[in-house]
Amino acid sequence: SQKIEQNSEALNIQEGKTATLTCNYTNYSPAYLQWYRQDPGRGPVFLLLIRENEKEKRKERLKVTFDTTLKQSLFHITASQPADSATYLCALSTGGGNKLTFGTGTQLKVEL
Amino acid sequence: DVKVTQSSRYLVKRTGEKVFLECVQDMDHENMFWYRQDPGLGLRLIYFSYDVKMKEKGDIPEGYSVSREKKERFSLILESASTNQTSMYLCASSVPGPTVAFFGQGTRLTVV
Repeated sequence: SQKIEQNSEALNIQEGKTATLTCNYTNYSPAYLQWYRQDPGRGPVFLLLIRENEKEKRKERLKVTFDTTLKQSLFHITASQPADSATYLCALSTGGGNKLTFGTGTQLKVEL
Repeated sequence: DVKVTQSSRYLVKRTGEKVFLECVQDMDHENMFWYRQDPGLGLRLIYFSYDVKMKEKGDIPEGYSVSREKKERFSLILESASTNQTSMYLCASSVPGPTVAFFGQGTRLTVV
């Protein structure tokens, strides 16, 4: 069956460190993958999109990698800050690219 | 600023009631989606629509129906609300193809 797996356990890190979140998928062949941020009680907000022919993408302190052989994406936040504390969701395109299927998300907490 | 607006932030309904959740977007997007989000299960797609009067079932359509009479508005209908439909409901919109989904702020529905 198709699965998108993210670490269900919360990730706690110290301010200034790099946070690395993992997204693994099975039985999908996505053309692209997205990462979203969600704060409590709010809808997800888009962060980054990476295509299958791109190995890495950066935006300010964020970096995403996409390994279609390993079927894995890594999401990095460098120089993390308490304001980065949130749940981060990965999403794959399915259904001809029009539907997004989400992982369960990983909660990140950045401590002072 | 792009906007997806859900009609209510919080709703409390009784078992057996017919419930309407409304979503409006101002971006002229073709695609609109309804997800529900539950702890440990992530976002699950209920229905989506890729054009006016067009709809497709998502992963968990049972107990729900949708209506899209105008491009900017997508309604989710719970024909006879049950307690297991207590959840956070999220509406999203996008243009066709591999692109960003914009989410509303969510409606937290409690069925008692």
